[in-house]
This record gives sequence, structure tokens and C-alpha cells, in this order.
Amino acid sequence: DQQVKQNSPSLSVQEGRISILNCDYTNSMFDYFLWYKKYPAEGPTFLISISSIKDKNEDGRFTVFLNKSAKHLSLHIVPSQPGDSAVYFCAASDGSGYALNFGKGTSLLVTP
Amino acid sequence: GAGVSQSPSNKVTEKGKDVELRCDPISGHTALYWYRQRLGQGLEFLIYFQGNSAPDKSGLPSDRFSAERTGESVSTLTIQRTQQEDSAVYLCASSLLKRYEQYFGPGTRLTVT
Repeated sequence: DQQVKQNSPSLSVQEGRISILNCDYTNSMFDYFLWYKKYPAEGPTFLISISSIKDKNEDGRFTVFLNKSAKHLSLHIVPSQPGDSAVYFCAASDGSGYALNFGKGTSLLVTP
Repeated sequence: GAGVSQSPSNKVTEKGKDVELRCDPISGHTALYWYRQRLGQGLEFLIYFQGNSAPDKSGLPSDRFSAERTGESVSTLTIQRTQQEDSAVYLCASSLLKRYEQYFGPGTRLTVT
């Protein structure tokens, strides 16, 4: 069963605007969440993470928000740039430190 | 510095044949992971190695799948008697100890005909 869900397979945003990518999870034991970015023919690269003791983590143009009660997290990219066009994966861990549970990904297209 | 490398980048094989996929982790990374990504799906955990500890094989989908790791270096994933449902991109990742931030290789695209 899919414990991490990304219900939007694709998203298109204009350059300079905000991109919001959403992720829902079902396992209440998850306590660490990550976002990975993937370009075609490359492996995923780590982007940003958040621990369950926080509700927000910011790194430059990227901010991740966590709503534990709703079991929901989101990634905000502001301002969006054409180079941000990629597939974004949400991942979660239950504290074992490995075996990340990944969503199916959301393909972001940032248009000039 | 050098990232995680995988070989081959692409592999086409006939159903029933055995295949071997290779992963070279980042030097100094003690933890190594194998995932696979089927078309339109998320990454699916297969196996985890940590130093000289017994590997966690809980994600291997069948006994046709096996993996080895030599110390803290190269790992090979072997799939015996390949089936069409084995077609996927096989990704290797490594990390320092059990840090969550795993560094991925480019993957091996396996096609079973």
C-alpha cells in the first residue's frame, strides 16, 4: 500500500510565480520527511527535509511545511525558475534511518 | 568529488536470463541502499547494507533477487530468471551511517523482453 501519496502527477507554473507541491501520508509513525528532485536520466537529489518536531523549514527559495494533524506536507518554491522543472518526490521515514518511503512524484514544469 | 556510480546505465535482457547490476557508492559512505522505480511509480526500497552488519533484505520482492556488498565498497544486485515485471530503473544510494540524506546514482534501466 502507498503510505506516501502525491496526488498531482503534474503541475505547470509560470516563471517567477510560486510552485506548491503537495504530499500526504498515512503512517503516523513517520517522523522525518524529505523532498527529492529528479531530472531525466539522473538519480534523485536531496532538496530539503523536515523533522516532525518542526512545522516549517526554509532553504533559500525552498520551504517545506508540515501539518502533522492533517498528515500533510508541502513544498513551496518561490520564485519558480525554468531550471526547477523536474520531478519532485516526497519521502518519509519512521525513524529507522533508512528505507525511505517515496511518493510517485509530481512533474513540475516552469514556463518562461 | 565523485558521486554514486552505477553500471550498466541500460540493460536489455531476454526473459529467463540472469542480470547483474553494479553500484559504486561515495567513498566513506557506510550505508548503501537499492531501490527500484517502475514506470509511473515511486521508488520502492529493496535492500540496505550498513557496514559489516547483516543486510536488511525485507524489500526484496522474491528469492530471484539477491545483493552483495564487499565491505564498504561496491555492491551488486543480481536478478535471476528475469521476468517482464522486473523491468524498471534500479537505483543505488549511499549515505553516511544512517543519515536520511541519501545520495543516489543515475540508475540502471533494465528492460526484460
